[in-house]
Amino acid sequence: SQQGEEDPQALSIQEGENATMNCSYKTSINNLQWYRQNSGRGLVHLILIRSNEREKHSGRLRVTLDTSKKSSSLLITASRAADTASYFCATAAGSYGGSQGNLIFGKGTKLSVKP
Amino acid sequence: ETGVTQTPRHLVMGMTNKKSLKCEQHLGHNAMYWYKQSAKKPLELMFVYNFKEQTENNSVPSRFSPECPNSSHLFLHLHTLQPEDSALYLCASSQVPGQGPLGTNTEAFFGQGTRLTVV
Repeated sequence: SQQGEEDPQALSIQEGENATMNCSYKTSINNLQWYRQNSGRGLVHLILIRSNEREKHSGRLRVTLDTSKKSSSLLITASRAADTASYFCATAAGSYGGSQGNLIFGKGTKLSVKP
Repeated sequence: ETGVTQTPRHLVMGMTNKKSLKCEQHLGHNAMYWYKQSAKKPLELMFVYNFKEQTENNSVPSRFSPECPNSSHLFLHLHTLQPEDSALYLCASSQVPGQGPLGTNTEAFFGQGTRLTVV
């Protein structure tokens, strides 16, 4: 079943602007991860934020996590045309003892950065 | 290069054909996954192998048959597929902590996918 739900579904910005994508989820999590996918290719891990963390940075990426609202945001600062891709949040799902590590993805946000 | 290799990259098959997708990971991970990505739908988790044992089968039709002969290799055997099975099939691997309560999940490494077209 779908866990993460990204918002917006599509985002178009100019190079140099910031891009913010949001993710909401339904159940308790240990961590939330963000991935990027270029068209028709595999997903690439960007950043992982644990449930006891509120904010994390990696280069031009900033991720926040609000476990009380079951939501996360991904901010890409000073965007570049090369940032054009789909971005997915993923949360771990599964039961005790057998299903650890299963990541459930949302539909993603399609980001287009125009030069 | 993520350390996860999928072959073939593209596959066109008829509904009566039998084919197999292959995934190989060189990362020493203990869990491997098959995902299906269709247009305008979320990635669907199909199968999970944890320590070579299948731990998840999310109501996938029997025309998809996974095989995990060892912790580095994962196959998806296909037979009598339908046109709606056309999609991008992604393999992933990760390092999962030992058995027990849900622990910290590490990142997943994905292959480049196999673009499958069923005609």
